[in-house]
Parts: sequence; structure tokens; C-alpha cells
Amino acid sequence: DAKTTQPPSMDCAEGRAANLPCNHSTISGNEYVYWYRQIHSQGPQYIIHGLKNNETNEMASLIITEDRKSSTLILPHATLRDTAVYYCIVRFHNYGQNFVFGPGTRLSVLP
Amino acid sequence: DGGITQSPKYLFRKEGQNVTLSCEQNLNHDAMYWYRQDPGQGLRLIYYSQIVNDFQKGDIAEGYSVSREKKESFPLTVTSAQKNPTAFYLCASSIWDSEAFFGQGTRLTVV
Repeated sequence: DAKTTQPPSMDCAEGRAANLPCNHSTISGNEYVYWYRQIHSQGPQYIIHGLKNNETNEMASLIITEDRKSSTLILPHATLRDTAVYYCIVRFHNYGQNFVFGPGTRLSVLP
Repeated sequence: DGGITQSPKYLFRKEGQNVTLSCEQNLNHDAMYWYRQDPGQGLRLIYYSQIVNDFQKGDIAEGYSVSREKKESFPLTVTSAQKNPTAFYLCASSIWDSEAFFGQGTRLTVV
């Protein structure tokens, strides 16, 4: 079973920041938080991952709370092309560890 | 270009037939995965392999079989024992301490 909880859907106005929350209250000290997104009928696309510190790349920022029990993915200026299902995953960096997907959050960016 | 390739994109199967879905990667990744996705649902793990000549069942392995004879290849056979095979199938690969890369998927339909 997925070890994360996400809202089933969210809306965001085009050009505004999209903040997608994820709860992972049972996360272990060595588990990383990963974010993927899936546009309809395509393979999931990796966005970002982190352990403790906040992370930023060209796509998004990942904010992890100090207790690591939740995180937020931030798309700073959402566009219509960011409409997708966003998945939050926790995973050990050990041999044999899989990526367990939950139902994710369906983000709709509105014009 | 490096990446992971699934073929075919669309596949039609008659009831009672076995079909094999191809997945090839040139990323030199040790781990490979097969997921199934039903409409409006998240991804469910069918099989995974961490190394050549070794693979493990995921959550929904019944009616499926795999092989891992080469590092680059991880074909999935959907057998006649799979009672509801119509779905979107996704293959992925990774190294143990980083993100997984996904193919673009194969949509299988039983006719």
C-alpha cells in the first residue's frame, strides 16, 4: 500500500503557483520523498525528490517539513500543460526498493 | 538518445491468447519494473527485477510472467490466465538510489 495521502483533486489558475500537499506521517528516517506526474495516456514523468532539505529544479520546488511528515510540491507559475495527475511517493534508497504509487492528485490548471 | 522504449503502443488480443509486451532500456539501469494502470486509477506493480536472471512478484502478478535474460530487456507476457487484461501497461527502470524512468506505455485491449 502507498504510504502517502494526497487530496484527490485541486484546481489552480494559470500563471499562479500550484501547491500540492502530501502527507507521509509514517515516513522513516532514510526514506526519500519523490514526486512524479502523469499526463493523460503517457508514462509518469519524474519531477523532483528529496530527503530532508528543500529542493528546487527547473520544474518545481519541494518543501519538506522539519518533522518530515508532510511535503509540498510547488509549481511556481502553473501553465495549462501542467494539468496532470501528481503522485507523491516515499522510497528507501536500498537495493530492492520499489516505487509504490497511490491514486495521486489530479491538478487542473484553469485559464 | 538514452531512454526506455515500450512496444507496441497499442495491442489487441483475442481471448485465450498469450501476448508479450516489450520493454528495452539503454540507461544501464539494474532495476526494471512493470506496472498496470486501469482507467482513473493509479499504478499497480506487476513484477520487478533488480538484476539479470532474477525477478520478484509485485502486488498483482497472477496471470503474468516475465523474464530478465539481458540487463536491457524485461518483457512481460500476459497469459490467458489473466482474466481482465485490458489495461495500460507501463515499464520503468532505475538504479537503486535515484529516480525511475518510465516508458510511454502499451495499451492492451482484449477483443
